[in-house]
Amino acid sequence: EPEVTQTPSHQVTQMGQEVILRCVPISNHLYFYWYRQILGQKVEFLVSFYNNEISEKSEIFDDQFSVERPDGSNFTLKIRSTKLEDSAMYFCASSGAATAKETQYFGPGTRLLVL
Amino acid sequence: AQSVTQPDIHITVSEGASLELRCNYSYGATPYLFWYVQSPGQGLQLLLKYFSGDTLVQGIKGFEAEFKRSQSSFNLRKPSVHWSDAAEYFCAVGLDNTDKLIFGTGTRLQVFP
Repeated sequence: EPEVTQTPSHQVTQMGQEVILRCVPISNHLYFYWYRQILGQKVEFLVSFYNNEISEKSEIFDDQFSVERPDGSNFTLKIRSTKLEDSAMYFCASSGAATAKETQYFGPGTRLLVL
Repeated sequence: AQSVTQPDIHITVSEGASLELRCNYSYGATPYLFWYVQSPGQGLQLLLKYFSGDTLVQGIKGFEAEFKRSQSSFNLRKPSVHWSDAAEYFCAVGLDNTDKLIFGTGTRLQVFP
């Protein structure tokens, strides 16, 4: 069964450093998402991406964040200058369509710790 | 305020016992409703979803959920829990005017032998 994969599974970084989180969505999906979950809190939407453009973003997704589909398979989330409060589990998801009914398939997550 | 609520943070049941995990939402229109499960080290896996029609939906792993419009609820049930069901369960809603899923805070299920 096709699945979304994410690398790395864990990342530790120093405050102020740049990090890139990588995701390989399901191969025939065209819609991509990033969510995050701060420990003990809800899973929160960050951004959706389609046709090489951001489709929707949340208030969390400020200028420190960016997304990219650098090739035909990867989808990345970059945090330019990490803050302590960026420590969270980051989930990538993909779907075959952008309707609210469409199932979003999630990866296992990357746990980011900012020191 | 619009929200998804899972009132139970942590539930413990014995193996073989029945299970009900609660989810309530507060949105003007009926949203699209989902239940996801996250096992340790795994991603969020879809258990079931509801869009319209029969208010009792069947999912994978023997789970079912019932949509009750009058109560704005979408509770997840399983008649007999297995030890492998120990995980975190998330209720989520989708709305027509947004790409995002809106999640509840999750319920952690612990199963005792």
